[in-house]
Amino acid sequence: DAGVTQSPTHLIKTRGQQVTLRCSPISGHKSVSWYQQVLGQGPQFIFQYYEKEERGRGNFPDRFSARQFPNYSSELNVNALLLGDSALYLCASSFEQLPYGYTFGSGTRLTVV
Amino acid sequence: QQQVKQSPQSLIVQKGGIPIINCAYENTAFDYFPWYQQFPGKGPALLIAIRPDVSEKKEGRFTISFNKSAKQFSLHIMDSQPGDSATYFCAASIRGGGNKLTFGTGTQLKVEL
Repeated sequence: DAGVTQSPTHLIKTRGQQVTLRCSPISGHKSVSWYQQVLGQGPQFIFQYYEKEERGRGNFPDRFSARQFPNYSSELNVNALLLGDSALYLCASSFEQLPYGYTFGSGTRLTVV
Repeated sequence: QQQVKQSPQSLIVQKGGIPIINCAYENTAFDYFPWYQQFPGKGPALLIAIRPDVSEKKEGRFTISFNKSAKQFSLHIMDSQPGDSATYFCAASIRGGGNKLTFGTGTQLKVEL
C-alpha cells in the first residue's frame, strides 16, 4: 500500500510568489491535515479537511488556503510568500476526523528567497 | 494553555541505555497523547499513544508513563539502539478541539555505540 504522497519534494520560490503543494492520502483515508514545521521546531497545525469540508483551522494568515477534492487528495496554497514561510510542509491522513493514528507524508521542503 | 512543553532539547545515551523524554501540559481538556519519531528528511511516524485514563502503556521497547495529577507524560526507550537516533516529539489533542495535534518542540536523541 502506498503511504501518504506529497509533491513536490523540494521547492524554491521568490518572495511575493504563490505556491501550491499537493497531497494524496492513504487509500480509504478521508481526512487530510496540513502542518508547517520550521527547522528545529515541532509541526504547527494549519488546516484539517474531512469529507471535502474544512473541519479545523490553525493560527495562520489568510494567505494560506486549502481544499480537498472528491478523491480526498488535497492542495495547500500559500499566496504572497514571505521569507518566514520557508519550512517543511507536512500532510497527514487518517481514516476518521479526529487526529488519531495520523500517517504523515515526507513533506515538501519550501525555501523562499 | 494550548502548549506542550518538552524536555530535554537533546539527549545522548550509550547503546542499551534508557533515554527518558518528558512533556508537560496545562490544559486538562487534552485527552490524547501520542509520541512521534522523525528521521531526517522524513515525516513524523506514530510510535505510541496514551489516553489519560491509563498510567502506563508499553509497545515493544517503547513505554509511555502518564501522570494525570502532575499533567506530565514521558517516553522511555528500553535497550536503546543506534537506529533509535532520531528526533522525538510529544503531542496532545482535545476531542472537539479543532481536530489538531499540538506538538512539543522535539528532543534530538543520539544513541552511541
